[in-house]
Amino acid sequence: DTGVSQNPRHKITKRGQNVTFRCDPISEHNRLYWYRQTLGQGPEFLTYFQNEAQLEKSRLLSDRFSAERPKGSFSTLEIQRTEQGDSAMYLCASSDKQGVTYEQYFGPGTRLTVT
Amino acid sequence: DAKTTQPPSMDCAEGRAANLPCNHSTISGNEYVYWYRQIHSQGPQYIIHGLKNNETNEMASLIITEDRKSSTLILPHATLRDTAVYYCIVRVSIIKSTGGFKTIFGAGTRLFVKA
Repeated sequence: DTGVSQNPRHKITKRGQNVTFRCDPISEHNRLYWYRQTLGQGPEFLTYFQNEAQLEKSRLLSDRFSAERPKGSFSTLEIQRTEQGDSAMYLCASSDKQGVTYEQYFGPGTRLTVT
Repeated sequence: DAKTTQPPSMDCAEGRAANLPCNHSTISGNEYVYWYRQIHSQGPQYIIHGLKNNETNEMASLIITEDRKSSTLILPHATLRDTAVYYCIVRVSIIKSTGGFKTIFGAGTRLFVKA
């Protein structure tokens, strides 16, 4: 247990429905990241928050995706009008700068299946 | 471009040392080598990192060659629970000088520990 929690752990939805995932980072970490991982691949970066500010978004994050971190603590990732290609593991990570090194602590992920 | 080369899979006998190689011939002078692992259906777990000196912690040892073009992660006494995908990472993309960063994962090495 890294201290990063994600809910739900699994989500099955029908194509066209909206889904929302939640991430609770390690409490003292002000940086939060979302990644997506498809089968057999390493995680791919989606977006980054420093406190409540969303400072970076990948081109993988289409207009149907939106992420928030309203109070600089937990974050939500919403996918609107889901498509089958959205089926993946969605991972959240948090970090705090330690010197000049960069370690991230990942949650267990939310596995999304779009039918 | 993950900047690392790892074998796609390796086997190791339980109780023996697992030595996982990584080639990073284009590493820059100030880039660290990080290792993460991902056990099936979980998020990646940070293991260890190093710059030029060998490093050891409670999980593993990291041996970096003098020219820094390759490294080896050593699990001294592998157990069945060490079966996982191991990622060697040297590329950390800094986001807008805010201290945020995105970890660029490759495909990793799938380690099978056998009884």
